[in-house]
Amino acid sequence: NAGVTQTPKFRVLKTGQSMTLLCAQDMNHEYMYWYRQDPGMGLRLIHYSVGEGTTAKGEVPDGYNVSRLKKQNFLLGLESAAPSQTSVYFCASSPHTGTGGKENTEAFFGQGTRLTVV
Amino acid sequence: DQQVKQNSPSLSVQEGRISILNCDYTNSMFDYFLWYKKYPAEGPTFLISISSIKDKNEDGRFTVFLNKSAKHLSLHIVPSQPGDSAVYFCAASANFGNEKLTFGTGTRLTIIP
Repeated sequence: NAGVTQTPKFRVLKTGQSMTLLCAQDMNHEYMYWYRQDPGMGLRLIHYSVGEGTTAKGEVPDGYNVSRLKKQNFLLGLESAAPSQTSVYFCASSPHTGTGGKENTEAFFGQGTRLTVV
Repeated sequence: DQQVKQNSPSLSVQEGRISILNCDYTNSMFDYFLWYKKYPAEGPTFLISISSIKDKNEDGRFTVFLNKSAKHLSLHIVPSQPGDSAVYFCAASANFGNEKLTFGTGTRLTIIP
C-alpha cells in the first residue's frame, strides 16, 4: 500500500512565486491534515479537512490555502511564497474515530516536502 | 503558548537500558495522547497511544504512562536498541479522536552501543 504520498519531495521557490503541494492517500480516510515542521517548534497544524469539500484552519494558516475536492487528495497552496515559509511540510490522514476512540488509532504521515524560499 | 511540552531536547541511553521520554501538557481538554517516532528524511510514524480513561498502555518494548492529575505522560522503552535512535514526538488531541493533533517539540534519543 502506498499510504500517504506527497509530491514534490523537494522544491526551491523564489519569493513571490506560487506553488501547490499535493497529498494523496489510498486508505479511504475521512480526515486529512497539513503540518509544517520547523527546528525547535515540533509539528504545527496549518489546515485540515474532516471530509471531502470541507476545510478548516489550524494553528498557523496565514499565507496558505487548501482544497479537498476529492476524498483522497488534499492540496496545499502558497499564493506568494515568503522566506518564512521555508520549512518541511507533512501531510497526514486518519480515519474518523468519533468519541470513545479505540486505542492505537493514529494519523498516518507522508514522507514530507522540503521547501526552501529564497 | 506551547500546550504540549517536551523539555528534554535530547537524551542518550546505553543499549539494553531503559529509555524514559517525558511530556507535559497544559490543556485539560486533551484526552488522547500519542507518541510518534521520526527518522531523518522520513515522516513521523505512530508508536503507541493512550486515552485518558487509562493510566498505562503497553505494546512490546514500549509502555506509555499517563498521570492526569499532573498532566504528564512518559514513554518507556526497554530494553533500548540502536534502531530506537530517532526523534520522538508526543502529541495530544481532544474528543478521544486523533484529529487536530497538537505536537510537542520532540526529543532526540540516541542509543549508545
